[in-house]
Amino acid sequence: QVQLVQSGAEVKKPGASVKVSCKASGYTFTSYDINWVRQATGQGLEWMGWMNPNSGNTGYAQKFQGRVTMTRNTSISTAYMELSSLRSEDTAVYYCARGRARLDPWGQGTLVTVSS
Amino acid sequence: AIRMTQSPSSLSASTGDRVTITCRASQGISSYLAWYQQKPGKAPKLLIYAASTLQSGVPSRFSGSGSGTDFTLTISCLQSEDFATYYCQQYYSYPRSFGQGTKLEIK
Repeated sequence: QVQLVQSGAEVKKPGASVKVSCKASGYTFTSYDINWVRQATGQGLEWMGWMNPNSGNTGYAQKFQGRVTMTRNTSISTAYMELSSLRSEDTAVYYCARGRARLDPWGQGTLVTVSS
Repeated sequence: AIRMTQSPSSLSASTGDRVTITCRASQGISSYLAWYQQKPGKAPKLLIYAASTLQSGVPSRFSGSGSGTDFTLTISCLQSEDFATYYCQQYYSYPRSFGQGTKLEIK
């Protein structure tokens, strides 16, 4: 079955970077975009950006421009999202999701906690 | 950027009720709209795309309608497993954007 499996929870200090992985299975990885969406505790969904695994092309929400980098390793069908200069407001669950339009399926989420 | 606004933000209902959630886009998005259901501690799940197309495996009590700027999600006969938070999302243009969510609670 089509599945996205994300890496485990992370705890980071302010100013550090975090890199979350998203491993795809059950479909051709290079055929579908990967999006990243985050959700702070008790809050709504916030779209961060997309990546085309075939070309490596990316597009980021303006809010994250300069701090986020989305990459991939096609040999292991894995997408990555790296967020730098972390601050407390970046504490959230980060999801990857497949698709250019509708998003389906989603990964299980990765909790990133930013705390001194 | 396109802003998506859902109403109500929360809703209390009983099993068996019919409920409707509204989503409004700040500009026309044709039918490029999806609905998701999210339960506590879980990832969102796609329910409807293209405003009215039911995702495979989703019960037929869920339906969507609308185009342009105004959209609705209707659950015709609430079941216990439907109590969750619902989000709309536009995919007409980048950046993609979500509504703020509607929490459906048991009355």
